[in-house]
This record gives sequence, structure tokens and C-alpha cells, in this order.
Amino acid sequence: ETGVTQSPTHLIKTRGQQVTLRCSSQSGHNTVSWYQQALGQGPQFIFQYYREEENGRGNFPPRFSGLQFPNYSSELNVNALELDDSALYLCASSFASGGPNTEAFFGQGTRLTVV
Amino acid sequence: AQSVTQLGSHVSVSEGALVLLRCNYSSSVPPYLFWYVQYPNQGLQLLLKYTTGATLVKGINGFEAEFKKSETSFHLTKPSAHMSDAAEYFCAVSMNTGFQKLVFGTGTRLLVSP
Repeated sequence: ETGVTQSPTHLIKTRGQQVTLRCSSQSGHNTVSWYQQALGQGPQFIFQYYREEENGRGNFPPRFSGLQFPNYSSELNVNALELDDSALYLCASSFASGGPNTEAFFGQGTRLTVV
Repeated sequence: AQSVTQLGSHVSVSEGALVLLRCNYSSSVPPYLFWYVQYPNQGLQLLLKYTTGATLVKGINGFEAEFKKSETSFHLTKPSAHMSDAAEYFCAVSMNTGFQKLVFGTGTRLLVSP
């Protein structure tokens, strides 16, 4: 059984560019959540996808968007990058409807640096 | 709105000493509560969670936490620290309905000295 894998592990982008981060869910999991963890802070919820539909969203602007594919892998897209978007982006997968007491399994994250 | 406060951004203990990491939450309804650990350059790993039932919850690696509703607290403890416990620890809450949206505290870095 493979865990949650994210790619790339590190990325450097220029302000104003667009970026796509990828996540492969743990086997059997159909729900994916994305979190942003700024340096020295706790992770902040961006959004969640369940069966290819957005299931909930945190307080992030529309330039943060996502996709979930039929194999339950997922992408996070960020347009018009800003310096404050520099952070560790974490993907978490879980089983079933992602109910509030479900254990979420986290990937190792993608470190995005915007210069 | 929910929020989590972790007192102490850094906690230092000696190997073999008691570990106590504090977490207080604010929520309009009793939430679900979680503790996660993050080792350097890694993602988050669930240590334990409280949903319903027994208020003393045991987790992995010898950690446990007690839910105290009257104090809105969920402090994490371990009787005897090991060097391998050095990491960042995050307390999180989630509403007990709907989808899981974890609200995290700012984290506490545990330092263990020989």
C-alpha cells in the first residue's frame, strides 16, 4: 500500500507566474484536501475534493483552484503568484466522505518559493 | 469560528522527563480534536484524536491526551521523553458535522536534550 505522494518536492517560481502541484492519494482513498503551511505557522485549509467535486473551501482567493481525477489523484493550481504564496503545500487523503473524524494521511509536501 | 491556541512555541525537556504540550480551543460546539506530529521535511502524522466517548485518549509512541470540556483543553502528554520525540507538534480541531476541515494551532517545537 503506497502512501500519499506529492510532486515536485521543491519549486521556485517568479511573481505573477502560474504553478501546478500534484498529489497521488493513498490507495483506496477518494477524498483529497489541500493545506498551505507558511513558515512558522500551522497548516491552513485551502479546499477539499470528493469524487472529483469541490466539497468545501477555506478562505483562499479564486486564483487557488484544484482538480481531482477519476483515479482520485489531485492538482492544486495557483495563478498570478504572489510573494506571500511562498509556503509548504500539503496534500491529505482520506477514505469515504471525508467526514470530520476521518483520519487524513498527509504527503511530505511541496515547498514553493516565489521570488 | 473555531480556533486553536498552543501555549509555547518551543518546549525543552530532558530525555526521560515528562512531556506536556498545551492546547486550548475555541468552538461554539464540541469539536473533534487531533494532535499531529511533523518531523523535519516531512508531512504530518496523526498521533491521536478525540471524537466521542472516553476523554483520555491514547495514541502512538506513548503519547496521550485528555479532553477537558470545562477547560476547553486537549493537552498532550508523554511520561518519558525520548530523543526521537523531537519534532513539531500541532493541535487541530474539526467541526463534528459535515466534511473535515482541520483548523490547526501554530505548533509547538519539542526539543529533547540528553
